[in-house]
Amino acid sequence: SQTIHQWPATLVQPVGSPLSLECTVEGTSNPNLYWYRQAAGRGLQLLFYSVGIGQISSEVPQNLSASRPQDRQFILSSKKLLLSDSGFYLCAWRPLSGTGSNGYTFGSGTRLTVV
Amino acid sequence: QKEVEQDPGPLSVPEGAIVSLNCTYSNSAFQYFMWYRQYSRKGPELLMYTYSSGNKEDGRFTAQVDKSSKYISLFIRDSQPSDSATYLCAMRSQGGGATNKLIFGTGTLLAVQP
Repeated sequence: SQTIHQWPATLVQPVGSPLSLECTVEGTSNPNLYWYRQAAGRGLQLLFYSVGIGQISSEVPQNLSASRPQDRQFILSSKKLLLSDSGFYLCAWRPLSGTGSNGYTFGSGTRLTVV
Repeated sequence: QKEVEQDPGPLSVPEGAIVSLNCTYSNSAFQYFMWYRQYSRKGPELLMYTYSSGNKEDGRFTAQVDKSSKYISLFIRDSQPSDSATYLCAMRSQGGGATNKLIFGTGTLLAVQP
């Protein structure tokens, strides 16, 4: 069965520090991968998505970047965090060839607080 | 106008009540409709999925899609305190590929009081 792992669960970082959040998927190949940010009362904002190794599409201009160094690994990074980067970050995947529900499967999330 | 509109709530009901959660949308190309449940500090989990119009039932949960009105609903019968969570609707149009992305509502916070 497929599983998605996301870590760390909680992170407190000072302004100006770097960031690296990692997401890995098991039990599938060639997944579509997504990074979302969820702010309180504002729903899910799509940040990046990837259809393959090294292929990253950005949805909104921001202080963050994403990379996909391996098929089932997706990394969210920042060189210098801003206060506005605080939020709940979610990684998600879905099969490359949509079957069944075509829905996304989400990780458990990382709560980032920039202080 | 947002593509998907959802009342943020909060919605508070007594245990055993029937809960109705709704979303409206503007894009007539949407064909796949989903409901996600998200507990506090957790990732969303897929609860119900419907393709095109009609009803789908799974235990105490029923999903309805009315494409003519661009309106979808999730009904929860005999609600339980464990149903307390944020419920997000999501939808997308026909076609595969990551570029055809799910569009999410902002979520409705539901509290079922024992």
